Order: sequence, then structure tokens, then C-alpha cells
Amino acid sequence: DVKVTQSSRYLVKRTGEKVFLECVQDMDHENMFWYRQDPGLGLRLIYFSYDVKMKEKGDIPEGYSVSREKKERFSLILESASTNQTSMYLCASSFLADTGELFFGEGSRLTVL
Amino acid sequence: SQKIEQNSEALNIQEGKTATLTCNYTNYSPAYLQWYRQDPGRGPVFLLLIRENEKEKRKERLKVTFDTTLKQSLFHITASQPADSATYLCALGENNFNKFYFGSGTKLNVKP
Repeated sequence: DVKVTQSSRYLVKRTGEKVFLECVQDMDHENMFWYRQDPGLGLRLIYFSYDVKMKEKGDIPEGYSVSREKKERFSLILESASTNQTSMYLCASSFLADTGELFFGEGSRLTVL
Repeated sequence: SQKIEQNSEALNIQEGKTATLTCNYTNYSPAYLQWYRQDPGRGPVFLLLIRENEKEKRKERLKVTFDTTLKQSLFHITASQPADSATYLCALGENNFNKFYFGSGTKLNVKP
């Protein structure tokens, strides 16, 4: 079974702190994604990566950066956390196959105080 | 502006009935559409994909239709069970599988 593992299920941080969210997948998928999920807004794409060291902005990249040094690992970085970044963050990966099925991690719920 | 609309109100149905969820979109030209299930506190799980040239897709008790003229997809669960209670999300993709646009989901409650 494909497994996408997010390092932290729950985090509480203070405004201005630097936050790292880590995601690891074990199925050699090319694509990896970071979404945030907020009530009534659905999942919004922050960044995605289709190869090592490659990244593309999604719909809401402001205030975030990403790193993909190894194929299996995709990190989301909040350079200076703000209260409006309080959200559920979901990492996903996919193989360039015929369904494009996204495999999601369990999510990281971040609270910024 | 681009929009993907799913009914924000929960859908409550009786066990054994067919649940029908809708996904309407505006100002997208999707090449395919996916449906996901999400349980509370968990990540979404892929259910089905339907392409723009397919009218209908089935998988066990699930059926998806895709009408590019109406800009709508319908998701049906036949013989629904309480275990089907969850939030269901639709996602559109416009070309390759690099970018997906999600609706906010509809919560389904199946009562015994």
C-alpha cells in the first residue's frame, strides 16, 4: 500500500516562527503536492513538485516555500507564521498513471497563536 | 471567476436509498474529474476518475456521470449504508495530472 507520512499531526506555533512541515512517500511517485484545507473553501493548492528540485506555485503560494531535495520527501516551509496560516495542511503524491490518483497523508493541523 | 460548487448542506438519507451528490463548475474546461471520500480528521481517499469523453463510470455501488454541456458531475451511491457517511469531494483536472482543483465537499449522513 502507498503510504504518505506527514511528520506532525498537530502543531502549535507563535506568530513569526519558522515552521517546517515534512512529508514522505514510499512509492517512488514523481508528483508531490501541498494543500491547505479550510472550512467552506475546500482544498487549495499551495505548491507542487513534479521532480526532485523542481517546484511550481499553486494557487496560494504567498507566505510559503517548499523544498524537494529527494524524490520521496517534500517539505513545506512557513518562513514567518501568521495567524491566517492556521489550517489543516495535506500532503499528497501521485504517479503519472492513467487516473492521476492522489494519495494523501493524514494531515497536519497547524495553529498559529 | 472559476468556481467548483458542491452542496454545502449535509445530505441526510435513509439506509438502503440512493445518495446523489452534485458537482457543478464554472469557467473550467476539465479533461477529467475525480471523486474522493474524506472521513473526519483523515486525508481524502480516491474513489473514481471519469474523463471528458466518458458519460458514466461505475465501480461496485458507485456511479459517476459527467456532463460537459451542463458542466456538472453527479455521484451516486446505491444501497447506501451508514458506513458511507463521510464528506465527498470532487476534483477537476484540465490537462495532465499535475494540477487539481477541489470543491469544498458535501457531507453525507446515512441513517440506519
